[in-house]
Amino acid sequence: KNEVEQSPQNLTAQEGEFITINCSYSVGISALHWLQQHPGGGIVSLFMLSSGKKKHGRLIATINIQEKHSSLHITASHPRDSAVYICAVPGSARQLTFGSGTQLTVLP
Amino acid sequence: KAGVTQTPRYLIKTRGQQVTLSCSPISGHRSVSWYQQTPGQGLQFLFEYFSETQRNKGNFPGRFSGRQFSNSRSEMNVSTLELGDSALYLCASKAGELQETQYFGPGTRLLVL
Repeated sequence: KNEVEQSPQNLTAQEGEFITINCSYSVGISALHWLQQHPGGGIVSLFMLSSGKKKHGRLIATINIQEKHSSLHITASHPRDSAVYICAVPGSARQLTFGSGTQLTVLP
Repeated sequence: KAGVTQTPRYLIKTRGQQVTLSCSPISGHRSVSWYQQTPGQGLQFLFEYFSETQRNKGNFPGRFSGRQFSNSRSEMNVSTLELGDSALYLCASKAGELQETQYFGPGTRLLVL
């Protein structure tokens, strides 16, 4: 079973700050997912990546396959970025295993 | 394209009852996965269906079951409800069987009293 560790669990930032959320996993994978969940419960897929770096707007995701580690960065953070960020990796049968999530609060 | 829809959005049941939740995937998507989210356990995989066949099942008791219809719509059923089944149930769809982006529905919030 793939163990997924996220850090930090909680993060409070001031508007405009650069934010980094980390995700480590125990078993080699084909791809890693970053998800965003807003207070209402809805989940949005932000990235799926298997190598290198992906960028979408102010969000950047990186992955180091050798070190089994991924990071999600948010540049110029804004209060609307406040959400729970979750990383997920596929298990041996391709089902997703999720990290416990990082609660991000961005203060104006 | 319309997104993933789930019905009902909220549900209150009592212990011992059973419940059926429905998920309509994005048009053209053939894979539907179900997840349970609780404050204590976080997000956990329930099962995945592809072309009406269950492809994977998570570590949940047999009270949890599901099916997928020929139009890719999926239902999950929980029988003999327990208090611990109170959770947000999410479904997600994707086009095929491979690792690809999943699109999540808004979820069904189930409260068992």
